[in-house]
Amino acid sequence: NAGVTQTPKFQVLKTGQSMTLQCAQDMNHNSMYWYRQDPGMGLRLIYYSASEGTTDKGEVPNGYNVSRLNKREFSLRLESAAPSQTSVYFCASSERVNTEAFFGQGTRLTVV
Amino acid sequence: AQSVTQPDIHITVSEGASLELRCNYSYGATPYLFWYVQSPGQGLQLLLKYFSGDTLVQGIKGFEAEFKRSQSSFNLRKPSVHWSDAAEYFCAVGPSWGGGGADGLTFGKGTHLIIQP
Repeated sequence: NAGVTQTPKFQVLKTGQSMTLQCAQDMNHNSMYWYRQDPGMGLRLIYYSASEGTTDKGEVPNGYNVSRLNKREFSLRLESAAPSQTSVYFCASSERVNTEAFFGQGTRLTVV
Repeated sequence: AQSVTQPDIHITVSEGASLELRCNYSYGATPYLFWYVQSPGQGLQLLLKYFSGDTLVQGIKGFEAEFKRSQSSFNLRKPSVHWSDAAEYFCAVGPSWGGGGADGLTFGKGTHLIIQP
């Protein structure tokens, strides 16, 4: 049982490049999330999907887009990367929006 | 909007000593409360959760937490810490059913626990 799987684990981008972070869960959860973690800031919600077919903005959505491809998969896209988007990105899933979330191992992204 | 405050950025504890990590929340109703632990380079692992009922909840790895409504607190405790407990600890709040608030969990900024030999 893999839980929440994120790819890639590490990525270096140049300013202005685009990329998509992939996330898949095998727990049949309804809700999925993307967080970013920065030193001293804790985890901040970028976007979430309460259920298949819906997505909503979180606390820090600017510069990002998401797609809930199906119940299992939730991707995060950076259309034009900026150095301010250097961070560790975590995908998570939960049975419902207010129950405990299960996290992937994270993607460490550096934008130069 | 819900919010979480973890007043201590760093805490240093001797191995074998007791531990208490503080967490205060802001929420209009009784929230759902969580503690997570993050080891270096890893994702977050759930230690324990409070939804309702008994205000003292037991978690994994010998941790417990007590919900105190009057103080809006959910402090994490462990009677005797081990060197392997060194990690980052996050308190999180989620909206209860019917309580309103932002979807998803809101996290505190974390407390870095250092264990001295």
